[in-house]
Amino acid sequence: SQQGEEDPQALSIQEGENATMNCSYKTSINNLQWYRQNSGRGLVHLILIRSNEREKHSGRLRVTLDTSKKSSSLLITASRAADTASYFCATASYSSASKIIFGSGTRLSIRP
Amino acid sequence: NAGVTQTPKFQVLKTGQSMTLQCAQDMNHNSMYWYRQDPGMGLRLIYYSASEGTTDKGEVPNGYNVSRLNKREFSLRLESAAPSQTSVYFCASRREGGGWTEAFFGQGTRLTVV
Repeated sequence: SQQGEEDPQALSIQEGENATMNCSYKTSINNLQWYRQNSGRGLVHLILIRSNEREKHSGRLRVTLDTSKKSSSLLITASRAADTASYFCATASYSSASKIIFGSGTRLSIRP
Repeated sequence: NAGVTQTPKFQVLKTGQSMTLQCAQDMNHNSMYWYRQDPGMGLRLIYYSASEGTTDKGEVPNGYNVSRLNKREFSLRLESAAPSQTSVYFCASRREGGGWTEAFFGQGTRLTVV
């Protein structure tokens, strides 16, 4: 099974609301990354959080990491129609830092 | 500034046929990756190459082979295609830096095996 599992699988919210997605993983990690994928396109990197960090911000994005619970969350504030996409977490483990494993993703839909 | 380039963009194969998916990056990255993405699913790692001359299996390597031709190019070969290999294939590259760097993705190859 995959290293990372996202929750929820799908999320539909009104424009302007906040969206929260969660990611759980299984092994000790070096870092955790979040990516966005627009329909039919390649993935685009959003933010990276290192294992010794607990929270990180980038614009409207806020990522938290709880290594004791092996979980991370991605918060998108003041959502916009352009945020409609799938969001994936990805992890790089300590034992194999080059090996990047992706979760199953959350499909986010923003209603106008 | 091309980034990661995959060819072809679309391909239809008959069961049993072979083909090679090409990937090239112009960012001087050490690590390169091949993933597959089935409809409505996440990405699953097929093979990766942490540096020129090395390749390692990922989560789903069966039915595939790879070649790290040089630092720029990483190809994925299907020796005998099966309908279960119908998927979108993504190549990615990353600069090695203690595991703390982002991956850059190509636009994908949509493969259908009939």
